[in-house]
Amino acid sequence: AQKVTQAQTEISVVEKEDVTLDCVYETRDTTYYLFWYKQPPSGELVFLIRRNSFDEQNEISGRYSWNFQKSTSSFNFTITASQVVDSAVYFCALVDSGAGSYQLTFGKGTKLSVIP
Amino acid sequence: DGGITQSPKYLFRKEGQNVTLSCEQNLNHDAMYWYRQDPGQGLRLIYYSQIVNDFQKGDIAEGYSVSREKKESFPLTVTSAQKNPTAFYLCATSPATQYNEQFFGPGTRLTVL
Repeated sequence: AQKVTQAQTEISVVEKEDVTLDCVYETRDTTYYLFWYKQPPSGELVFLIRRNSFDEQNEISGRYSWNFQKSTSSFNFTITASQVVDSAVYFCALVDSGAGSYQLTFGKGTKLSVIP
Repeated sequence: DGGITQSPKYLFRKEGQNVTLSCEQNLNHDAMYWYRQDPGQGLRLIYYSQIVNDFQKGDIAEGYSVSREKKESFPLTVTSAQKNPTAFYLCATSPATQYNEQFFGPGTRLTVL
């Protein structure tokens, strides 16, 4: 069965520091997709990125970057020069061929607090 | 505006009463989902539906029921059989194709008194 582990429950950083959120996954499938979502205090989850298992290239989007390493089953998320608006709960998720490839398995989330 | 609507944002009910949470979407997505979120537990799937008039149980379906009579709507009923219904409930949608990202509504916080 698939599983997503986010070992960091809470992280606090001072504004402008870089921070990395860890995500480790388990799946028996060779085809799968990984996701990151942001949940600000308002509650609505915001989609950040989707990455498939055949593409190990790192991705950068502004201050956000993602490091996908199949060798360690990890999909880590780095925020560079953090800002107060980055304060939120961040979820990593996985979908594989189980349940018709529709069902996301979420980690328990990492709460990030950026202190001004 | 295109999007997912959940109403109300806050809902209070007495213990033993059934309550129905609404979820409406105008994204023309085929698949719809209901999740429950508890502090420190992440999101857990209750039910999902890939097409109209069809739905499947997720990981924690006991005490909940759903219907999918229209593509745009996927209401969730929290029944009196649900032992601990107080939680934050999130509805999501996705296109019909496999492995797609899901888009989430603003959520309903249900408190049972």
